[in-house]
Amino acid sequence: KAGVTQTPRYLIKTRGQQVTLSCSPISGHRSVSWYQQTPGQGLQFLFEYFSETQRNKGNFPGRFSGRQFSNSRSEMNVSTLELGDSALYLCASSLGLAGVQVVGELFFGEGSRLTVL
Amino acid sequence: GNSVTQMEGPVTLSEEAFLTINCTYTATGYPSLFWYVQYPGEGLQLLLKATKADDKGSNKGFEATYRKETTSFHLEKGSVQVSDSAVYFCALTRSGGYNKLIFGAGTRLAVHP
Repeated sequence: KAGVTQTPRYLIKTRGQQVTLSCSPISGHRSVSWYQQTPGQGLQFLFEYFSETQRNKGNFPGRFSGRQFSNSRSEMNVSTLELGDSALYLCASSLGLAGVQVVGELFFGEGSRLTVL
Repeated sequence: GNSVTQMEGPVTLSEEAFLTINCTYTATGYPSLFWYVQYPGEGLQLLLKATKADDKGSNKGFEATYRKETTSFHLEKGSVQVSDSAVYFCALTRSGGYNKLIFGAGTRLAVHP
């Protein structure tokens, strides 16, 4: 069974640009969550999508957005990039159904490493 | 608010030594607790979990017990191996929080032969 796939794995952007990251969840998983990992702030929750609807959101500015498609694939977008957006962006998937799978039991991809110059 | 506090690393041990990584939490309601591990160059993997007080999660020789009275979920292993070298993250999700995990800062473990 294929794992969570994130693309691209590495990318370099300059301040002011925008970026779109993609995540393909494990087959059958309907929940996709996004996390930002930085040395200073650690792992921080961005948002979660379930069946194309955002059902949870972290404390990030509106420049960070996401969406989920009918096949459960998800994208996140960061507009007007800032130096502080340099981070490893992790996508995680799960069945997303309480009672079927433990809430919080996530399967993570290897991440997309974004560098903003 | 909800938060997780882990002991600072790095933790450096010799092979076959006993490991404890402390984790305490602050949360409303009845959170579920997790340990995730990040091996070098890899994504996060769930190591073990506990969903209610006094539950013991275990996997690959690691154990952690959900202690509500001390709000703790310490990770232990009786005999570590070089292959256990990784960063370990304690995390919680509050009841009703769906998959919004709140992570601790992570503890780096280095095991030497």
